[in-house]
Amino acid sequence: AQSVAQPEDQVNVAEGNPLTVKCTYSVSGNPYLFWYVQYPNRGLQFLLKYITGDNLVKGSYGFEAEFNKSQTSFHLKKPSALVSDSALYFCAVSSGRSNNTDKLIFGTGTRLQVFP
Amino acid sequence: EPEVTQTPSHQVTQMGQEVILRCVPISNHLYFYWYRQILGQKVEFLVSFYNNEISEKSEIFDDQFSVERPDGSNFTLKIRSTKLEDSAMYFCASSELAGFYNEQFFGPGTRLTVL
Repeated sequence: AQSVAQPEDQVNVAEGNPLTVKCTYSVSGNPYLFWYVQYPNRGLQFLLKYITGDNLVKGSYGFEAEFNKSQTSFHLKKPSALVSDSALYFCAVSSGRSNNTDKLIFGTGTRLQVFP
Repeated sequence: EPEVTQTPSHQVTQMGQEVILRCVPISNHLYFYWYRQILGQKVEFLVSFYNNEISEKSEIFDDQFSVERPDGSNFTLKIRSTKLEDSAMYFCASSELAGFYNEQFFGPGTRLTVL
């Protein structure tokens, strides 16, 4: 069965510093991985996805994620954090269906706090 | 930018009552989903819907739950007889195309409180 793990409940980083939010995955077959962000009172917003190809995926708001097959990881990164990046971040893996609906299996979420 | 909308934002109900949660997916999207998040827990898949029928459902989605697309714009989740453990944030999502290639767009959620 597909699953993802987010080992950190919270990550604290100073504004301007690089940030990393960790995610590891366990899948049977090829991994299709996603990052979503949730701001207060908002729905989950798509940031980026890895389907195939380059291991470094670039997404919205300056975020990127590095897919590492040997470490089964898909960590979210940003070179320089902003206070406005403070939010709840979810890693997710697809169930892998290509020809119909395809559910997402989410991690427990990591709260990112960027302080000035 | 088009958005998924959900109403109401907060629903309070008594145990045993029926509730209907409403969603308006993005207009050209064809694939629809409901997820829920119990406070402090992970977001869990409930059901997916395409071409006017359920495509997939989780073990959570028992006979007390149903989904419907009553017209060309709304997508509803009905809980026939609510239980205390149904208290959660319910998210609707939609995607334009099939499968894992296409990201899902989520609504802001409906917080359901069962007393």
